[in-house]
Order: sequence, then C-alpha cells, then structure tokens
Amino acid sequence: GAVVSQHPSRVICKSGTSVKIECRSLDFQATTMFWYRQFPKQSLMLMATSNEGSKATYEQGVEKDKFLINHASLTLSTLTVTSAHPEDSSFYICSAAISRDLSGNTIYFGEGSWLTVV
Amino acid sequence: QKEVEQNSGPLSVPEGAIASLNCTYSDRGSQSFFWYRQYSGKSPELIMSIYSNGDKEDGRFTAQLNKASQYVSLLIRDSQPSDSATYLCAVNAGYQKVTFGIGTKLQVIP
Repeated sequence: GAVVSQHPSRVICKSGTSVKIECRSLDFQATTMFWYRQFPKQSLMLMATSNEGSKATYEQGVEKDKFLINHASLTLSTLTVTSAHPEDSSFYICSAAISRDLSGNTIYFGEGSWLTVV
Repeated sequence: QKEVEQNSGPLSVPEGAIASLNCTYSDRGSQSFFWYRQYSGKSPELIMSIYSNGDKEDGRFTAQLNKASQYVSLLIRDSQPSDSATYLCAVNAGYQKVTFGIGTKLQVIP
C-alpha cells in the first residue's frame, strides 16, 4: 500500500532556533501534501496545503513566515518551523493525497513528528 | 454548521460488544468517505473507505453510507480493548479537498 514517511519522529530544539521536518511519499508521486498540527488531546488542525512546484496554501491563522513549506519534488515536502518557541511544541503530521479517480483523493498520513521546544 | 460532524465521545462499550460510530456531512456533492483510527500519540491510520451507498465489510469493521441522509457510520464487531482509539471520519467533497471530523474517542472496557 501507499506509504508516507516522515522524519524526524522526535526532535527537541532550543527556543529561537529553526527545525525542519521532512515528508516523503515512498511509492507514489504526491502532487499535493498536507501539514497538520495536533496538540495533546485535541483534534487535527490543518495548517497548510503543499502543492508541488508552487506556493503552499495556508489556513487562516497560520503564519506563513513562521511555518515555511517547500514542495520541490513530487515525493518530498518539508515544513520548517522558524524561530521556534515553546508554544510551537506539538505533534506535526504530514499527509499525501493519492488520486483514486475523478471522484477524489485518499489521504495517507506520515508517522508524525513530535516537536519539543525548550 | 461544521462540514463533517462527529460526537467527540467518549463512547464506552464492553469488550465483545458492537461499537457504532456515526458521522454526518454537509456537502451533498461528497463522493468519497473514509474512517481513520488514531491511537494516542500516533498519526491516523486509514482503516476503511466507502464510495457508494450501502454496507462495506472488512473483517470486524463495517462501513455504512447513506448519501440521501448524508451520514456514514462505522461498526466494529466483537470490540477489543485494542480498538480503543479515536476514530476520524473524513469526507472528500472534490478532487483536492478532504475534510476531517473532530474524531470520536472509543473506549472498549475489558
């Protein structure tokens, strides 16, 4: 089946530094990837939609200059949290869409990345 | 009105019972429907997809879709403690957009 791989699974960084999370589609080409954030015991929150070769589309309230998304190839999207602060500590999850047919997509998730900012 | 609605729960069922999870959606043009399972601290895992009215069975799981009533449900037979998780309903209303519900937390009591 389709596999989406995310790296790193856990990262600890100092406040003020930047951290990059990678999301790869391993056996298919993903023109569209999605980035979510999930705080403990809360639901998934879509942050942005990443489209290969173009700018990401950010959801309302998500700072595009703080959460940099790059989707330079059909198998890789990256999320960079810039100038991280403790309140950015969260579970970040990427997903990729496989086009089933004209009726739409199926979403597969990466393993997620736990970010802790100290 | 939220696009995809689920009761957040928790839904508690005894081991061996049938767990029934429900989801309603607002966009009548929706064509694809999915159920994901998310264990605490883990990312969601696709467990069922359904595209046409009726029932679709896979092992202990049965997905039910009723487009006229705009609801989709997931039945888990012979519930096990290992089924305890949050179940996310997702709806694809178009080529790109997939919308998730908030998820229903299921607790299977031994």
